[in-house]
Amino acid sequence: DADVTQTPRNRITKTGKRIMLECSQTKGHDRMYWYRQDPGLGLRLIYYSFDVKDINKGEISDGYSVSRQAQAKFSLSLESAIPNQTALYFCATSDGFRDSATDTQYFGPGTRLTVL
Amino acid sequence: DAKTTQPNSMESNEEEPVHLPCNHSTISGTDYIHWYRQLPSQGPEYVIHGLTSNVNNRMASLAIAEDRKSSTLILHRATLRDAAVYYCILRLNTPLVFGKGTRLSVIA
Repeated sequence: DADVTQTPRNRITKTGKRIMLECSQTKGHDRMYWYRQDPGLGLRLIYYSFDVKDINKGEISDGYSVSRQAQAKFSLSLESAIPNQTALYFCATSDGFRDSATDTQYFGPGTRLTVL
Repeated sequence: DAKTTQPNSMESNEEEPVHLPCNHSTISGTDYIHWYRQLPSQGPEYVIHGLTSNVNNRMASLAIAEDRKSSTLILHRATLRDAAVYYCILRLNTPLVFGKGTRLSVIA
């Protein structure tokens, strides 16, 4: 079984709909992250959480919200989806046991979201 | 975060070594150099990281210039499975910040 799972893997929705993307991990890591990737570009950080009580905005948090329900679960919500939020979304985790400069991030398989 | 510069694309023949360059002239003394790669239709995966000394692991080697203003990821024998986008990232107590990376094509 995969260590970092994302559901759904693909989703098509309409403008204005509320969408939730879910991420679960079995690695026992405290730190979790949400990124989006647009075609031909690198990943951009949306939100990250260093533990259940800690939530931080990333580079492009506008239009998104997150919930850290438990150590193993980190959800990303689009309150009112718009077409330019069409992208590939990746969840990641890291152990944070060492310095943040050296811990390894492990990525999920991604969720392809299309907003019509 | 300090910025990195990588070529947009590179090509290699299968079973030959590949040297992927990265320039980071504004690196600070405590920035670590990380490399991740993203295979087609997958999330990124860790390759290697270093601070000052050259590093080796089962996937690759990382050669860091003495002044730390550049580094090179070395794949000793490229295989078709190594075709991916390779990201060079400087990191200091922050989540990974990705640039556009280098798209490596491997020719059979």
